[in-house]
Amino acid sequence: SQTIHQWPATLVQPVGSPLSLECTVEGTSNPNLYWYRQAAGRGLQLLFYSVGIGQISSEVPQNLSASRPQDRQFILSSKKLLLSDSGFYLCAWSEAALYTFGSGTRLTVV
Amino acid sequence: KQEVTQIPAALSVPEGENLVLNCSFTDSAIYNLQWFRQDPGKGLTSLLLIQSSQREQTSGRLNASLDKSSGRSTLYIAASQPGDSATYLCAVPDYGGSQGNLIFGKGTKLSVKP
Repeated sequence: SQTIHQWPATLVQPVGSPLSLECTVEGTSNPNLYWYRQAAGRGLQLLFYSVGIGQISSEVPQNLSASRPQDRQFILSSKKLLLSDSGFYLCAWSEAALYTFGSGTRLTVV
Repeated sequence: KQEVTQIPAALSVPEGENLVLNCSFTDSAIYNLQWFRQDPGKGLTSLLLIQSSQREQTSGRLNASLDKSSGRSTLYIAASQPGDSATYLCAVPDYGGSQGNLIFGKGTKLSVKP
């Protein structure tokens, strides 16, 4: 069966520090992968999506970046976090219009 | 640009009541609509996916309907239970934007009181 793993579950980071969130998918090949952010009081916002290894598309200009070094691995990074980067980050994959989300990472930038 | 709206934003009901959550979208040219559940601090769990050719989908006590022409979908929950307390989100594909991107409503926060 297909599963999606996302870690860490929570993270508190100081402003200006780097960030690395990882997401891996099991039980499927060549999935479409996504990073969403859910900020307080706002809906889910697509940050990045990937249709294959090394293929990343960005939706929102920001100081975040994403990489897909392996077929089933998707990484969200930042070199220097801002206070505005705080939020709930969700990784997802899709197949035949059905989306499956990870458990999320609560990031607090202090 | 596609916009998704969910009404009400919050709903509190006593246990056992039947209830309806509403979702509306501005562009009726959708291929499908998906309902999700989100528990506090957790990720999203897919509940139902309705294809544009379908009018209804059922899973247990949940029934979702889709009326493309009017730009509406409803999620019906029968005999609500305290365990149904969560935020319910609907989403449609954004064909005018990113490949495979979903446009989400802001959700309805449901509280079922025992």
